Amino acid sequence: GAVVSQHPSWVICKSGTSVKIECRSLDFQATTMFWYRQFPKQSLMLMATSNEGSKATYEQGVEKDKFLINHASLTLSTLTVTSAHPEDSSFYICSARAWGGSTDTQYFGPGTRLTVL
Amino acid sequence: RKEVEQDPGPFNVPEGATVAFNCTYSNSASQSFFWYRQDCRKEPKLLMSVYSSGNEDGRFTAQLNRASQYISLLIRDSKLSDSATYLCVVKHPSNTGKLIFGQGTTLQVKP
Repeated sequence: GAVVSQHPSWVICKSGTSVKIECRSLDFQATTMFWYRQFPKQSLMLMATSNEGSKATYEQGVEKDKFLINHASLTLSTLTVTSAHPEDSSFYICSARAWGGSTDTQYFGPGTRLTVL
Repeated sequence: RKEVEQDPGPFNVPEGATVAFNCTYSNSASQSFFWYRQDCRKEPKLLMSVYSSGNEDGRFTAQLNRASQYISLLIRDSKLSDSATYLCVVKHPSNTGKLIFGQGTTLQVKP
């Protein structure tokens, strides 16, 4: 199946700093990517839909000025957690949508574990 | 009411047991349904899609009841390697491609 990578796989940062997470579709082009967050013992919660060449669409309750999303190419979306705080510590997972014809499938990246001290 | 609801478990079963997971969804306009498996500290991976007529993949059987807005997953002859969290997932009926995840049901298969 298609491959989606995320970088970094884990990051530890100090409170108040910003962290950038990259999501890449390695062998297909994705006009749409999704960013999820998962807290311990909870399910994945969609944060935003990232559309290539346009502004991201954020889910209710997600601050767009805190979680900056850039989808500058068909294979790369980035999520920047600005002024991170300990409550932002979580598992961030992206997915890339491959669709066309009869296909509409999401491929997930391996996730990025963020710890804010 | 949550859009997708599952019993979180955990389900603790012996090897070889048959176990069933249930899921309900709230939006009757939903058309696409899936079961994903997630191992600890890993990303979710697609286990199987769920079709109206029910479908089987080896030891796994998925069923859908649109009238009751109910989805199930049956695992026969449980293996130790089946231990994981099983996520019921519903695609949003809009054309956005958004997936809505249930809380997940944890399965622990013991020797």
